[in-house]
Amino acid sequence: AQSVTQPDARVTVSEGASLQLRCKYSYFGTPYLFWYVQYPRQGLQLLLKYYPGDPVVQGVNGFEAEFSKSNSSFHLRKASVHWSDWAVYFCAVSTQVVGQLTFGRGTRLQVYA
Amino acid sequence: NAGVIQTPRHKVTGKGQEATLWCEPISGHSAVFWYRQTIVQGLEFLTYFRNQAPIDDSGMPKERFSAQMPNQSHSTLKIQSTQPQDSAVYLCASSSLSGNTLYFGEGSRLIVV
Repeated sequence: AQSVTQPDARVTVSEGASLQLRCKYSYFGTPYLFWYVQYPRQGLQLLLKYYPGDPVVQGVNGFEAEFSKSNSSFHLRKASVHWSDWAVYFCAVSTQVVGQLTFGRGTRLQVYA
Repeated sequence: NAGVIQTPRHKVTGKGQEATLWCEPISGHSAVFWYRQTIVQGLEFLTYFRNQAPIDDSGMPKERFSAQMPNQSHSTLKIQSTQPQDSAVYLCASSSLSGNTLYFGEGSRLIVV
């Protein structure tokens, strides 16, 4: 069965600093990978998704992620963090074109001025 | 496009009572998913419908939980004889069959007292 590990429960950065949120997945086949963001008391919103192809994926609000098969990773990056990025970020994996997602435990991002 | 609509947003119920949660998927989406979110367990997959048919209910507790999708415009999650451990945010998501991006509702927060 597939799984996702987000090793950092909480990350704190200063506004304007760069960001990397880590994600490791476990699946022997070709995965579909996702990053979702959850703002307080809201549902999950898609940031970006990876389908087999270009390993670097661009998302909304300046986010991007890079798929690495050798490292089983799909880390999320942003060049300059804004205070409005304060939220919980979830990495997820799917094994089918249409099917359930398996989520990591999430990383809480805190941004300070 | 109104997005996925979940009602009620908040529900407080007494132990032993029944709770029913509703989900209206995005118009034209044929796949509907239910997840449960708690601090302890994170995001847990419950069940999945495709074209109103149950496809995968491997995450549903064997007792007291049931889900239905009587038509393409809504799905229900019913919890009988609610227990305090059922307290959670229940998230519904929908997807088209041409791509596996899940669009989430804002969730129904259930509190069992």
